[in-house]
Amino acid sequence: EVQLLESGGGLVQPGGSLRLSCAASGFTFSNYGMTWVRQAPGKGLEWVSLIGATGGTQYADSVKGRFTISRDNSKNTVYLGMNSLRAEDTAVYYCAKTMTSLAYVDYWGQGTLVTVSS
Amino acid sequence: EIVLTQSPATLSLSPGERATLSCRASQSVSSYLAWYQHKPGQAPRLLIYDASNRATGIPARFSGSGSGTDFTLTISSLEPEDFALYYCQQRSNWPLTFGQGTKVEIK
Repeated sequence: EVQLLESGGGLVQPGGSLRLSCAASGFTFSNYGMTWVRQAPGKGLEWVSLIGATGGTQYADSVKGRFTISRDNSKNTVYLGMNSLRAEDTAVYYCAKTMTSLAYVDYWGQGTLVTVSS
Repeated sequence: EIVLTQSPATLSLSPGERATLSCRASQSVSSYLAWYQHKPGQAPRLLIYDASNRATGIPARFSGSGSGTDFTLTISSLEPEDFALYYCQQRSNWPLTFGQGTKVEIK
């Protein structure tokens, strides 16, 4: 059974930093791309970033230069480093597994809440 | 960035009725479009990928069609558990984008 467990969310001041982690199990982690999707309060889904199985990365324009996605295949874990946080980054952040060679999400975590506020 | 526009924003229907949801892209995405179902407090669920392929375990009452810029998700006969939010998502171009969602509510 595929499981994705996010951690690291919480309250942070504007301009601050946070690192989210997502521990994966139930599949061969190194074979799949992983992605982060967020949902701000009362809003729809917004794609944030993706890291491919071979380590290539992509970012939404809204986070480019501030967020960094990375992975540690030895720990079956994907990370999202977030710097220069803004109020508009407040959201539930979902870690998700992509389908083989396709940038669609077939499994999602339960999400972790990030609140950027003073 | 490819903008996906979903319509209607809200669809009010009764169980057993047919639901037709639309997703229009600001430029062609070929067949590179997916549909997700999202219920409050739960993780989203992939329903359809590449416009018309049902994901694993998805009931046959869900079907997708379309190509280019116009896509449709059809639920042939609504079950009580189908009342939820539905999003489309394209993978044709970076950045990946989602539509703003259609809420299917009980009439």
